[in-house]
Amino acid sequence: AQSVTQLDSQVPVFEEAPVELRCNYSSSVSVYLFWYVQYPNQGLQLLLKYLSGSTLVKSINGFEAEFNKSQTSFHLRKPSVHISDTAEYFCAVRTGNQFYFGTGTSLTVIP
Amino acid sequence: DTGVSQDPRHKITKRGQNVTFRCDPISEHNRLYWYRQTLGQGPEFLTYFQNEAQLEKSRLLSDRFSAERPKGSFSTLEIQRTEQGDSAMYLCASSQTSGRPHSYEQYFGPGTRLTVT
Repeated sequence: AQSVTQLDSQVPVFEEAPVELRCNYSSSVSVYLFWYVQYPNQGLQLLLKYLSGSTLVKSINGFEAEFNKSQTSFHLRKPSVHISDTAEYFCAVRTGNQFYFGTGTSLTVIP
Repeated sequence: DTGVSQDPRHKITKRGQNVTFRCDPISEHNRLYWYRQTLGQGPEFLTYFQNEAQLEKSRLLSDRFSAERPKGSFSTLEIQRTEQGDSAMYLCASSQTSGRPHSYEQYFGPGTRLTVT
């Protein structure tokens, strides 16, 4: 079975500073990769995804993630965070017909 | 399209009681997933349907849990004889399959928070 590891449970960062949220998964056999964001009291929303093609994928609000097959990683980055980025971030891997989620990283942006 | 909806949003019940949750997926989506999320954890897969057929069930889904999607539209998740360990957020997600990878993207509902006292 697939496993997804998000090593950092909490990441505090100052506003306008860069941030990286790490995600590693166990099996590289035919996977699709996703990052979801969950704002307080809201459902999960898709932030970005890697299905095929370019290994660097970007979201409309400045986040990007890079698929690294050799390291089985899909780390999420943003060069300059805003207060509104404060949320829980989940990495997910689709293998076959199932989605496997990490335990989440709580990003807190400090003014 | 109003997205995925779930009802109720919150449910408090006493141990031993039965509860039923409903999920209405995005109308053209043929796949529907149920997940459970506890505090500090990511969503854990419970089961999924393609149209009205229940295709996979997790080992997490004990015999007290049953899910249906009778007409391939809305789905219900029932928990019988609830236990305190069942307290969690129950999430529903839907997706459309059309043979193209990007169509497997999931859209989540707001969840039903269950508290068993």
